[in-house]
Amino acid sequence: SYVLTQPPSVSVAPGKTARITCGGNNIGSKSVHWYQQKPGQAPVLVIYYDSDRPSGIPERFSGSNSGNTATLTISRVEAGDEADYYCQVWDSSSDPVVFGGGTKLTVL
Amino acid sequence: EVQLVESGGVVVQPGGSLRLSCAASGFTFDDYAMHWVRQAPGKGLEWVSLISWDGGSTYYADSVKGRFTISRDNSKNSLYLQMNSLRAEDTALYYCAKVASPADIRDYFDYWGQGTLVTVSS
Repeated sequence: SYVLTQPPSVSVAPGKTARITCGGNNIGSKSVHWYQQKPGQAPVLVIYYDSDRPSGIPERFSGSNSGNTATLTISRVEAGDEADYYCQVWDSSSDPVVFGGGTKLTVL
Repeated sequence: EVQLVESGGVVVQPGGSLRLSCAASGFTFDDYAMHWVRQAPGKGLEWVSLISWDGGSTYYADSVKGRFTISRDNSKNSLYLQMNSLRAEDTALYYCAKVASPADIRDYFDYWGQGTLVTVSS
């Protein structure tokens, strides 16, 4: 089955840029979606189809996808961005919906 | 406003059975595929199962195949997950989630419920 690899943690100072990667074999050929999950809350979609933002998500959130790596970029990071972030794809294999292991974003 | 409200989570013994429900409102339920996603305590998201808008197609994670059954009742705007032969590793918060586009089972999740907790323990 398809595997998505995320770093367990990323730390960034307020006002700086955070980049969270999601690695997968030829992931650039798939559509990648990103979810933010704060403690005790359900996941919330922050990026879909690699780089589209749902309404209500700040422009500081952006995404890209090429080759074997997709990236979620958060510019001008704020304390409120501290959360777990998960990438997700659809794959035509035994488990068609695949999540990355998640990345905990810490704002220093 | 879209709402997804899960229920049915309890403490159950290993080998036991349980049925989870998800009540949907705020959208045309029978236009959309629905999923169950779970999250073990302190762990990441794990996809469990998917059902098409009409119930005609279902998919399962290998970890639950043969033990769980997803179903829906479009007349009641409800999604279900029948869980049999439960194991300790099935302990998790179970979310129902709606896909964004009508009639597209592969789409991303635009709404999630708040989850219902299933604990498998003797």
